[in-house]
Amino acid sequence: GENVEQHPSTLSVQEGDSAVIKCTYSDSASNYFPWYKQELGKGPQLIIDIRSNVGEKKDQRIAVTLNKTAKHFSLHITETQPEDSAVYFCAATFNDYKLSFGAGTTVTVRA
Amino acid sequence: NAGVTQTPKFQVLKTGQSMTLQCAQDMNHNSMYWYRQDPGMGLRLIYYSASEGTTDKGEVPNGYNVSRLNKREFSLRLESAAPSQTSVYFCASSQAGQFFGQGTRLTVV
Repeated sequence: GENVEQHPSTLSVQEGDSAVIKCTYSDSASNYFPWYKQELGKGPQLIIDIRSNVGEKKDQRIAVTLNKTAKHFSLHITETQPEDSAVYFCAATFNDYKLSFGAGTTVTVRA
Repeated sequence: NAGVTQTPKFQVLKTGQSMTLQCAQDMNHNSMYWYRQDPGMGLRLIYYSASEGTTDKGEVPNGYNVSRLNKREFSLRLESAAPSQTSVYFCASSQAGQFFGQGTRLTVV
């Protein structure tokens, strides 16, 4: 099955700086890569996703890049704000059903 | 629009007791899922239902059963709870992209 590794496990950034989280996947058939944000005591929330037919997607301050050859994808958050503090999860799947999740990255934005 | 609703939010069980976690979605999604979340392990799929009337095992199905009652509802049952099932359980539904409920925090003592 698919195996997704996520790094780093924790990330502390100064407000206004950028944050980058990287994930690698093992199954070359995977074609859908969503990112989730989880705030304390809440369920994960889909923030951005990318399919294998594109290399980059942006939505305001967040962007995701995908390198299918190297089998890795990354989340970029620019101009970080305190409300960006949360746990972020990457995931991968080949059929839109059985998502395989990374272990998560705890992001702390220092004011 | 409530999205995905899970009940209960918290539950404490004794070893060997049974219980059912309820999940309902109002987004008319075909697919529904049950995950468990443990520290440092991300989310692991227990069971999923690609459409009404079908269910399939995920990564960690042992000790659980599910029922897709109708298009809206997907329940998770623990027949004989064990301490290893202490976790936070999330239900999700999808059409394109998965949407999660608020979770059920279950403790088995």
